[in-house]
Amino acid sequence: AQKITQTQPGMFVQEKEAVTLDCTYDTSDQSYGLFWYKQPSSGEMIFLIYQGSYDEQNATEGRYSLNFQKARKSANLVISASQLGDSAMYFCAMRLQMDSNYQLIWGAGTKLIIKP
Amino acid sequence: DAGVTQSPTHLIKTRGQQVTLRCSPKSGHDTVSWYQQALGQGPQFIFQYYEEEERQRGNFPDRFSGHQFPNYSSELNVNALLLGDSALYLCASSYSRQGEFGEQFFGPGTRLTVL
Repeated sequence: AQKITQTQPGMFVQEKEAVTLDCTYDTSDQSYGLFWYKQPSSGEMIFLIYQGSYDEQNATEGRYSLNFQKARKSANLVISASQLGDSAMYFCAMRLQMDSNYQLIWGAGTKLIIKP
Repeated sequence: DAGVTQSPTHLIKTRGQQVTLRCSPKSGHDTVSWYQQALGQGPQFIFQYYEEEERQRGNFPDRFSGHQFPNYSSELNVNALLLGDSALYLCASSYSRQGEFGEQFFGPGTRLTVL
């Protein structure tokens, strides 16, 4: 069964430090995709970064990078130089289809708090 | 360019009542997905609408139904509300012909409280 596991319910990080949020996944599919979303207290899901299972290089988007280890089925999010505005819930999600009409399976999330 | 909009923002209902939530997709998008997010949990996929039809459905009872209109907007209906239906309901839109990477854009959600 497809499943996403985020083992860190909450994290406190000092401002300007790097932070790694863990995500492991379980699927028997050969083709899949992994997303990270940020959810501020306002509730809206904000897309951060995407990694396809066949992408050979780790995805990067500005201060966000995805440490993709396919054999270990992990897709950790790394935020460099954290900022106070990074405080939010972070969700890892996996797509079940590789066409545009896909559904997402989500982890339970990690609450990240950046300390000044 | 307006993003995904949802209405209402908040809603309070009592057990047994019926509720309708609305979603307008981002301009140019033709697919709408609905998710339920209980407090402290990740979202759960309810269903997805494309070309005015329900194309995929998650593990939700028939009390949850939906509709998509010709302008691609969508409604989520929940009948016979239970206390456990209290959650944030998220709508996401996407474009069906975007290929492998069709990012889903999310609305701000509707917070439903069932008393």
